[in-house]
Amino acid sequence: TQLLEQSPQFLSIQEGENLTVYCNSSSVFSSLQWYRQEPGEGPVLLVTVVTGGEVKKLKRLTFQFGDARKDSSLHITAAQTGDTGLYLCAAGWGGKLIFGQGTELSVKP
Amino acid sequence: GAGVSQSPSNKVTEKGKDVELRCDPISGHTALYWYRQSLGQGLEFLIYFQGNSAPDKSGLPSDRFSAERTGGSVSTLTIQRTQQEDSAVYLCASSLGVSTEAFFGQGTRLTVV
Repeated sequence: TQLLEQSPQFLSIQEGENLTVYCNSSSVFSSLQWYRQEPGEGPVLLVTVVTGGEVKKLKRLTFQFGDARKDSSLHITAAQTGDTGLYLCAAGWGGKLIFGQGTELSVKP
Repeated sequence: GAGVSQSPSNKVTEKGKDVELRCDPISGHTALYWYRQSLGQGLEFLIYFQGNSAPDKSGLPSDRFSAERTGGSVSTLTIQRTQQEDSAVYLCASSLGVSTEAFFGQGTRLTVV
């Protein structure tokens, strides 16, 4: 079983639509990270959330850390084709950085 | 270098052969990770080095996999007697510590034929 469960696993939407992806766990984390990976590249950090209930915005992307620090969400407003990629959440656990299985997002023109 | 460097970028090998994958982390980063990624999937943790501590090998899938990190810098992941199920992208990352930003290389795409 995955420590970090992401949903949905796949998402295909039209440009201009809004979407939300989720990262859930039964464990509490001191912080949680979101990465984005494009084909042929390694993941790149988008944001780190630290405080329960925290909301961070990065242009059209809004990240929220759950009050209990067990879950997080990523909301994209008015998706663009350039948002296409694999979105991964990650957290420190047992002294190492572990990742969810990712959400593959495809934004069609 | 400015970022994490991995070599080779692509490797095709015959089943049963041994392969070595190399990772040059960002200078000064004490933490180094190896992950495996199958097509369109998340990152499967393999091994973690932190400073001079004993590495966390809990993610290595079998005893055919091993890794070392020399002088706290360059790391080599070795896969012995490769199998077709070892085909994947192997990603290396370095960071200043757990839960800090991990910087990834572009990966080595391994194909076992």
